[in-house]
Order: sequence, then structure tokens, then C-alpha cells
Amino acid sequence: QVQLVQSGAEVKKPGSSVKVSCKTSGGTFSSYALSWVRQAPGQGLEWMGGIIPILGTTNYAQKFQGRVTITADKSTSTAYMELTSLRSEDTAVYYCARAPNSGSYYFSWGQGTLVTVSS
Amino acid sequence: DIQMTQSPSSLSASVGDRVTISCRASQSISIFLNWYQQKPGKAPKLLIYVASSLQSGVPSRFSGGGSGTDFTLTISSLQPEDFATYYCQQTYSTPPTFGGGTKVEIK
Repeated sequence: QVQLVQSGAEVKKPGSSVKVSCKTSGGTFSSYALSWVRQAPGQGLEWMGGIIPILGTTNYAQKFQGRVTITADKSTSTAYMELTSLRSEDTAVYYCARAPNSGSYYFSWGQGTLVTVSS
Repeated sequence: DIQMTQSPSSLSASVGDRVTISCRASQSISIFLNWYQQKPGKAPKLLIYVASSLQSGVPSRFSGGGSGTDFTLTISSLQPEDFATYYCQQTYSTPPTFGGGTKVEIK
């Protein structure tokens, strides 16, 4: 059974950066695609970007280009999402989600990481 | 980007009711449409993929249909555990986009 376990909640100052981790177990880490989706309080779901670990290829939503970096460490089956230049509007729950391939449905999700940006 | 519009944004229903949620894409997405259920404080859960395929472990009272631009999620007999928010998502093109959600509440 595929499981994704994310790092804990973070409180950050405006202008700083946050790096959220997503450790996967079950299945072969590199053979799936992994995306990051965020949800602001009381709002809907927003795709930020994704990675195919076996290829190391990434793609990002235009909205986050230049501010987000998604990486994967195959040795630890862990993916990371780093978001820089944080502002209050980045306060949200950040989810990692696994798909059988790039551009596919998300069959497994992490539990979510709340990132609060506040001065 | 492809825009996904769900209707209604919320509905009230009783246990045992048949419930249908609609999702419309701003352009044709073939059958690349998925449905998720989300409960408060929890991650979304995949219910239906590629328009009508039931994810393993999901009760058969959930069904999906449609193609092109118009899709539906139907719950044949609403159960207490089905009160939640439902999202559609297109994976026809990048970026994948979600509908605004439909909150199903208890009448």
C-alpha cells in the first residue's frame, strides 16, 4: 500500500522560504509521478507542480514559476517542495500526491502540511 | 488553462437520497476527468478516474459519467459518511485544474 508522510506544520515570516518533505513507502518511488497541491483556508485545490523521480523532470504552474522548486531523493524515497519569497497569501495546507504517471489522477495523498506565513 | 466549473456549489440532502454533481470543462477534455472526496481536515481521496472508473475500495454507490465537456458524479443512495466536499479535476492538459468544489450537507 502506497503511503505518503509529510513533514510537520511550519510558521514562517514574510519573505522567507519553506521546504516541505514527503516520504513515500510502498511501491517503487521512481516509477510514479509526484505532484504538490495546495489549499488555502476555506478554498479549493491548486496544483503547484510535479516531478517524475525516475527522470528527474519537473514542471511547475506558471503562477509559481521562479518561486517553487520540487526535488526528489531516490535514496530516501522522499520528495521536497521549496517555496521562496513567502507572503501571507501562501498560508495554506500543502499536499503531496502520487500519480501512476505524469498528467494522471492522484491515487494517494500525503496528510498535508500547514504552512502559516505571518509577521 | 482549462477552467472547471462545478454545480451546485453546495447542496443539502438526506440519507438515502440520490445526489448528482455536475462538472463542466471550458474545452473538451475527452474522458480525462477525476473526482475526489474531501472531509474537513483531511486530504482528498480519489473516487473516480477517467470519468467513470471506480477507484479500488470505493463503494459502488458512487458512479461517474460524461465525456467532452460535461461530466457528472452520482451517489445513488447517500450515506452519513458521504457528507463532504467533492472536487472534479481535469488531467487532459497541464496544468491539471480543479473545480471549485461541491459541499454536500445534511438536510
